[in-house]
Amino acid sequence: GAVVSQHPSWVICKSGTSVKIECRSLDFQATTMFWYRQFPKQSLMLMATSNEGSKATYEQGVEKDKFLINHASLTLSTLTVTSAHPEDSSFYICSARDISGWGGSANTGELFFGEGSRLTVL
Amino acid sequence: DAKTTQPPSMDCAEGRAANLPCNHSTISGNEYVYWYRQIHSQGPQYIIHGLKNNETNEMASLIITEDRKSSTLILPHATLRDTAVYYCIVEFSGGYQKVTFGTGTKLQVIP
Repeated sequence: GAVVSQHPSWVICKSGTSVKIECRSLDFQATTMFWYRQFPKQSLMLMATSNEGSKATYEQGVEKDKFLINHASLTLSTLTVTSAHPEDSSFYICSARDISGWGGSANTGELFFGEGSRLTVL
Repeated sequence: DAKTTQPPSMDCAEGRAANLPCNHSTISGNEYVYWYRQIHSQGPQYIIHGLKNNETNEMASLIITEDRKSSTLILPHATLRDTAVYYCIVEFSGGYQKVTFGTGTKLQVIP
């Protein structure tokens, strides 16, 4: 079935540095991917919609210059947390739909999620 | 904003059926009800979805009321591995629409 993979699964960085998280659709093409952030014991919060070949659409309150999203191919979207600070420490999750059905799914319209990337900023 | 409301937590004895309710009174005619679950520190996982008929798969059953304003996810024989946060979502099937999550229900399966 359709699979979405994230890398790295966890990362620790120093305050002020930038961190890149990759999200790949392994067996299907995803023109749209979604990025979520989740703080402990809270629900997933949608950050932005990543669009292949065009600019990402950010949710209200999410700084586009802080969270850079690049969707350069149909199978890869990246989220870069720039100048990370301790308050950016969170669980970041990406997702995508297998709209074409190429991933072998029954094209139920479901979202496939990555394993998540846990960012800790010291 | 999320279009669904769910109880924040529920307990269920191992081996018994877990019935998780969801209210979605503003659902539109062509929106589906989707259920996902998230086991601790993992990405969410699709469970089941439906439009207006009851649905069943290898994981669960979905009962949607006739007026479609609420639904119930049924895990017929809960196991400890079913302990997770369960999210009820209403959305159009497929397409590029973004999905927002509510607070979900934390299901604790008790031995």
